[in-house]
Amino acid sequence: LAKTTQPISMDSYEGQEVNITCSHNNIATNDYITWYQQFPSQGPRFIIQGYKTKVTNEVASLFIPADRKSSTLSLPRVSLSDTAVYYCLVGDNDNFNKFYFGSGTKLNVKP
Amino acid sequence: EAGVVQSPRYKIIEKKQPVAFWCNPISGHNTLYWYLQNLGQGPELLIRYENEEAVDDSQLPKDRFSAERLKGVDSTLKIQPAELGDSAVYLCASSDRGNTIYFGEGSWLTVV
Repeated sequence: LAKTTQPISMDSYEGQEVNITCSHNNIATNDYITWYQQFPSQGPRFIIQGYKTKVTNEVASLFIPADRKSSTLSLPRVSLSDTAVYYCLVGDNDNFNKFYFGSGTKLNVKP
Repeated sequence: EAGVVQSPRYKIIEKKQPVAFWCNPISGHNTLYWYLQNLGQGPELLIRYENEEAVDDSQLPKDRFSAERLKGVDSTLKIQPAELGDSAVYLCASSDRGNTIYFGEGSWLTVV
């Protein structure tokens, strides 16, 4: 079971780029890396997923080094509405039931 | 397309009373999950269904919790009797066997 380690909290200001790093030293060959965002009073929402190198979508970018033992979620030009908890998960198609959410990273965006 | 639908959204009950939560997954999603989320913590898996079969219920406290997914679509999670420590958010989620899990808004339970 590949568990993850993330900072408990981060502070940022509007307009800044925010990078949240996640450690997953025990990631398996078939594991993907997935990030979720959760606002208060809502369920987690899928942000981005990747296997290696870099993935970008309209919301964020995900950087994964060659050894895949860590990953970095990059949020460009954050706004107050990006204040949320961000979870990093690793797992594969056969074992995604074992996804371990952990406590996530509480991002606080200030004006 | 509708997302994962859960009801009730909020529920307050007295301890020792029963409570049930209902979930309708995204159409076509064969995999359904129930998660428990305590305040300040990440979701924890309670049970996972593949169609109507519970393939992982190792984290479900079977003395008071039960779940069913008749016909492999909707699912119900029941607690009987509820205890004060059961106050939490109960999240339902579904997936189409890919790595992306889609969550509902959650059912907030307060046991008094």
